[in-house]
Amino acid sequence: GEEVAQTPKHLVRGEGQKAKLYCAPIKGHSYVFWYQQVLKNEFKFLISFQNENVFDETGMPKERFSAKCLPNSPCSLEIQATKLEDSAVYFCASRQVGGNQPQHFGDGTRLSIL
Amino acid sequence: AQRVTQPEKLLSVFKGAPVELKCNYSYSGSPELFWYVQYSRQRLQLLLRHISRESIKGFTADLNKGETSFHLKKPFAQEEDSAMYYCALSGGSSNTGKLIFGQGTTLQVKP
Repeated sequence: GEEVAQTPKHLVRGEGQKAKLYCAPIKGHSYVFWYQQVLKNEFKFLISFQNENVFDETGMPKERFSAKCLPNSPCSLEIQATKLEDSAVYFCASRQVGGNQPQHFGDGTRLSIL
Repeated sequence: AQRVTQPEKLLSVFKGAPVELKCNYSYSGSPELFWYVQYSRQRLQLLLRHISRESIKGFTADLNKGETSFHLKKPFAQEEDSAMYYCALSGGSSNTGKLIFGQGTTLQVKP
């Protein structure tokens, strides 16, 4: 597609439940990035992929968070045993190969943990 | 440490007034700097990047390595410029490409 597509737009989960977010990058873009934005504050980088391979996971919490980008499927970000502090908007971005290419963002998924 | 600072949370100006949104950065190598904009109920979209040295919607930004700044400027603000603006840094082609964002500045242009 021509835009990064994120689903769902809003996800509500009870504390302790699992949450799974999806991202379809722009066709032809090899890199996918996930960011977390808590309470309209700064964007925090979580993880990036080059095709289906993890490229940089330095921002991923060690526990409970995992992500995948499999061929012919949307990328996913999964949070096990959610906590109240996981409430945030999760943004996905994609970009083309090559230095200096800008990232294109999706609309984000708002995750609310009750 | 890599950091981007946008000192103003809110900048309010009248239509036709000049606008400058401040952005300072801290990075040890050669960064790439971007300005992203988020209009109400729309997704984050790229406004400018320093390597392009272009003007988009009347906005310009010059990278000042001496002052480690990348301020966004427009000589005459329009009401449709009202939005949230984020300055972001990437570590260049040798980096993994992740963006480091500032806290964002809300620009409010009053009629």
